[in-house]
Amino acid sequence: KNEVEQSPQNLTAQEGEFITINCSYSVGISALHWLQQHPGGGIVSLFMLSSGKKKHGRLIATINIQEKHSSLHITASHPRDSAVYICAVKETSGSRLTFGEGTQLTVNP
Amino acid sequence: ETGVTQTPRHLVMGMTNKKSLKCEQHLGHNAMYWYKQSAKKPLELMFVYNFKEQTENNSVPSRFSPECPNSSHLFLHLHTLQPEDSALYLCASSQAQFSSYNSPLHFGNGTRLTVT
Repeated sequence: KNEVEQSPQNLTAQEGEFITINCSYSVGISALHWLQQHPGGGIVSLFMLSSGKKKHGRLIATINIQEKHSSLHITASHPRDSAVYICAVKETSGSRLTFGEGTQLTVNP
Repeated sequence: ETGVTQTPRHLVMGMTNKKSLKCEQHLGHNAMYWYKQSAKKPLELMFVYNFKEQTENNSVPSRFSPECPNSSHLFLHLHTLQPEDSALYLCASSQAQFSSYNSPLHFGNGTRLTVT
């Protein structure tokens, strides 16, 4: 069992829909990252957070440290949002990032 | 443009070949990383260099040999690979390793490696 679990694994939505991707982890962390990977392979860092909520454009990331859970929300989804979204955590006791398996999002026009 | 450039984008090599992957960053970062991404698996850390010194080797087989001549360049030398080494190899950089996981990683677009 991976220390970082994402759900769902695959998500298909219609353009305009509100999307939520979840990330649960089982260890104490100092930071959580949300990353976006497009079909070409490149990865872009979307958010890094250790508490509360962050917003950038149509993207919102929240984290609940007590519940060991984070969500990534996309409002007014668009086909260009289609990508793999990856959650990664930095454990307080370690020096590495632990990655989830990713959520494949497809937004249809 | 991510600031981290990887070449080549695609590579097909036989098991007896020797090839090298190259990564270059112009972000002024001091830590550089190699990650492996296999199908349906999470990213796996391979190597970390901090200020040109290797600080982590995640039990990577010796057929993968990293080289970091300076803080801006990172290489991964490949020889006698196996078909199961076929994967996407991603380079990343950050300000410095020990603060890196509390600051963003910047990834390249990766090299898609196929070993035949």
